[in-house]
Amino acid sequence: AQSVTQLDSQVPVFEEAPVELRCNYSSSVSVYLFWYVQYPNQGLQLLLKYLSGSTLVKGINGFEAEFNKSQTSFHLRKPSVHISDTAEYFCAVRGTSYGKLTFGQGTILTVHP
Amino acid sequence: EPEVTQTPSHQVTQMGQEVILRCVPISNHLYFYWYRQILGQKVEFLVSFYNNEISEKSEIFDDQFSVERPDGSNFTLKIRSTKLEDSAMYFCASSEGVRQDLTYGYTFGSGTRLTVV
Repeated sequence: AQSVTQLDSQVPVFEEAPVELRCNYSSSVSVYLFWYVQYPNQGLQLLLKYLSGSTLVKGINGFEAEFNKSQTSFHLRKPSVHISDTAEYFCAVRGTSYGKLTFGQGTILTVHP
Repeated sequence: EPEVTQTPSHQVTQMGQEVILRCVPISNHLYFYWYRQILGQKVEFLVSFYNNEISEKSEIFDDQFSVERPDGSNFTLKIRSTKLEDSAMYFCASSEGVRQDLTYGYTFGSGTRLTVV
């Protein structure tokens, strides 16, 4: 079984500032890790994923995340945010064999002008 | 880019009524899923479906719920007798598969907001 904890429920930030959204997970098996974004009144869109290889993963819209196995973390970062990044962000994991996605509770990122 | 399509986008129903939520997954995908998100809570797994049968389900997915792929393109979630606590956003998703050379990220639909009154 897996579980995901997103440490911040809300993150307010000013435009062009850097941001980090934190995600920790626990699992008894190897996992794949994902970040999804949900814009208001829209579905879940994949931002990036870690399957294997380099622990630094780059995604869409300038986001990146780093997998840290020893700390069981997969924090999402962006060096300079835009107003349009305002959305809810979900970290998710699944086992490397067939299995469901387990989501964190989400972090609402609000970018202020 | 291929999309997962869900209809309707919003449905209001009376408690005790049956509802069917519809999804059209991406055409070459083999695995289909339903998730739900109660307002302010986590996105929760409900059920996965492969090869015309349920492959995994959560404890939420009780006898009131059923899934079907009636015609090879649609994938439906039926709730037989809705309760107030079934009010949520329901997401359909599909994926190509689970082998290591395939993409593991699911493609989600935009969701159906179900309101039970």
